[in-house]
Amino acid sequence: EAGVTQFPSHSVIEKGQTVTLRCDPISGHDNLYWYRRVMGKEIKFLLHFVKESKQDESGMPNNRFLAERTGGTYSTLKVQPAELEDSGVYFCASSRTPNTEAFFGQGTRLTVV
Amino acid sequence: EDQVTQSPEALRLQEGESSSLNCSYTVSGLRGLFWYRQDPGKGPEFLFTLYSAGEEKEKERLKATLTKKESFLHITAPKPEDSATYLCAVQAGSGYSTLTFGKGTMLLVSP
Repeated sequence: EAGVTQFPSHSVIEKGQTVTLRCDPISGHDNLYWYRRVMGKEIKFLLHFVKESKQDESGMPNNRFLAERTGGTYSTLKVQPAELEDSGVYFCASSRTPNTEAFFGQGTRLTVV
Repeated sequence: EDQVTQSPEALRLQEGESSSLNCSYTVSGLRGLFWYRQDPGKGPEFLFTLYSAGEEKEKERLKATLTKKESFLHITAPKPEDSATYLCAVQAGSGYSTLTFGKGTMLLVSP
C-alpha cells in the first residue's frame, strides 16, 4: 500500500510568487490534514478535510493560503503571494477515521527568498 | 489552549544505555496521545497511540506509558539506528481530530 505522497519535495520561490503544493493521501483515507513546521518551532496544524469538505481550517495563517480537495482524493495547498515567513516544511497526513493514527508524507520544504 | 512539552530537547546515549523521554501535556479532555519518530528529511512515522492513564504499549526496544499529566517513552538497550527525533502529540477536546505537537526530543545513540 502506497503511503502519503507529497510534491514537490523542495521548492524555492521569490517573495510575491505563487506556489502550489500537492498531497496524495493513502487510498481510502477520507481524512486529510495539512501541517507546517517553521524552523525552531513545533509542527502546527493548518486544516483538516473530510472527503472534499473542510472540517476545520482554524490553523490557516491568513487568506494567502488556499487549500482544496476536489473529488475527495488529492489535495493542493496554494500560497499566493508568498511571504518570507511562509518558509518551512509543509506536511500532509491522512487517516481512515478522525480518531485513528494519521500517516504523514515526507513533507515539502518551502523556501521563500 | 492545549500545550505539549517534551524533555529533554536533546539526548545522547551510548549503545545499550537505557533511558526515558518525557512528554507532559495540558489539555482539555485528552482523547489520545501519539508518539511519532522522525528521521532527517522525512515525515513523522507513527509509533504508538495511548488513550487512557495506565495504558502501556511496546514495540521492539520502545515502551510508551501514560499518566494523567504525562507520557514516557522508554528506550531499552538502544542501538544507533534508534537515533531520530521523537515527537509527542495530543488529540483533545470534542469534535476535533487535529494533533497538537511538542517540539520533540532529538536522540543520538553512539556505537
